[in-house]
Amino acid sequence: DAGVIQSPRHEVTEMGQEVTLRCKPISGHDYLFWYRQTMMRGLELLIYFNNNVPIDDSGMPEDRFSAKMPNASFSTLKIQPSEPRDSAVYFCASSFSTGNKLGGANVLTFGAGSRLTVL
Amino acid sequence: AQSVSQHNHHVILSEAASLELGCNYSYGGTVNLFWYVQYPGQHLQLLLKYFSGDPLVKGIKGFEAEFIKSKFSFNLRKPSVQWSDTAEYFCAVTSNTNAGKSTFGDGTTLTVKP
Repeated sequence: DAGVIQSPRHEVTEMGQEVTLRCKPISGHDYLFWYRQTMMRGLELLIYFNNNVPIDDSGMPEDRFSAKMPNASFSTLKIQPSEPRDSAVYFCASSFSTGNKLGGANVLTFGAGSRLTVL
Repeated sequence: AQSVSQHNHHVILSEAASLELGCNYSYGGTVNLFWYVQYPGQHLQLLLKYFSGDPLVKGIKGFEAEFIKSKFSFNLRKPSVQWSDTAEYFCAVTSNTNAGKSTFGDGTTLTVKP
């Protein structure tokens, strides 16, 4: 498996522009997570999905952020309009669960990240 | 709500020194515990995990961690660090009531001087 694939790896944009980050999870994984990492705030969970359904989006900073998972193999994180304070590395991660058992579950496999710079 | 605290923000060691990074979590139920490592410029990777059984777990690259339930701790150790261990280390926990969600600590940056 190629692992979790994120695109773009780097994005430089101007304030006010729309940004779309993409993620392809590992095939067979039923959880998908979006994290944001900055020096100031560390690693923050933005939103996560289970079986393509958003479970917890309490970490999404504000209405400018939205995430979708139209199918099991694709998710997007959109920022519209973007602001300089959104500059960060955005990681996508996926994992699988084994029914009600935690054993074997919840080991996260991270993508390489998308480094976003908003000027 | 579950939380994870890592006591050391930044640790600096010389090669061959022993390492122990602290991790405490707050949750009284069944937990799964993880250590992830992030090498400079790279993404997070699993270092080791604890689900059940022997509380002393061995991971990659000579790392180990011990789960002490009474202390709600899962400290990471390595007897002799190398320069290549320079990285950021994250402790994480999932619980049986929030199985899909990993809570991460703030991370500890380890710098190993050659």
